[in-house]
Amino acid sequence: DVKVTQSSRYLVKRTGEKVFLECVQDMDHENMFWYRQDPGLGLRLIYFSYDVKMKEKGDIPEGYSVSREKKERFSLILESASTNQTSMYLCASSYLDRKNYGYTFGSGTRLTVV
Amino acid sequence: KQEVTQIPAALSVPEGENLVLNCSFTDSAIYNLQWFRQDPGKGLTSLLLIQSSQREQTSGRLNASLDKSSGRSTLYIAASQPGDSATYLCAVIGETSGSRLTFGEGTQLTVNP
Repeated sequence: DVKVTQSSRYLVKRTGEKVFLECVQDMDHENMFWYRQDPGLGLRLIYFSYDVKMKEKGDIPEGYSVSREKKERFSLILESASTNQTSMYLCASSYLDRKNYGYTFGSGTRLTVV
Repeated sequence: KQEVTQIPAALSVPEGENLVLNCSFTDSAIYNLQWFRQDPGKGLTSLLLIQSSQREQTSGRLNASLDKSSGRSTLYIAASQPGDSATYLCAVIGETSGSRLTFGEGTQLTVNP
């Protein structure tokens, strides 16, 4: 089975800290994605990457950056954490072949910024 | 812009009932549709993937259908159990959306013992 692993289930960080959320997948997927999920707002795409060192902004990239130095790893960076970034963060991956394959999600990271 | 709607938003049923969750999408030019399950505080688990050329997919007690031309999908759950209680999300990949998934808001299902 494809596995997408997020390094932390729960994180508590202070306002202004630099925060790294790590995601690793083990099925050689080309695409990787970061979403955040908030009550009433659903899932919103922050950034995605379709290849090493490539990145594309999603719908809400402000306050975030990403890094993809290796194919299997995609990191989300909060340069200076703020309380409005308290959320559930979900990583996902997929093949480039959109017709025949779906997405696989990780188990999520619940981030609280105090 | 693709929009995905799920009805109902919440559903409560007694154990053993067969039930149907509905998903509709506004742009029928899709590559596939995927149903997910999400337990509280957890990530998304893929249940079924239906490619645009397919009409349905089955896995155990779950059956998902797709009517691409009318922009509709249903998830049928047979003989529901308390362990089926979760939020069910449908999502589509559009032909013009790159690799982006567009999600519905989800149906929160409660199966009462």
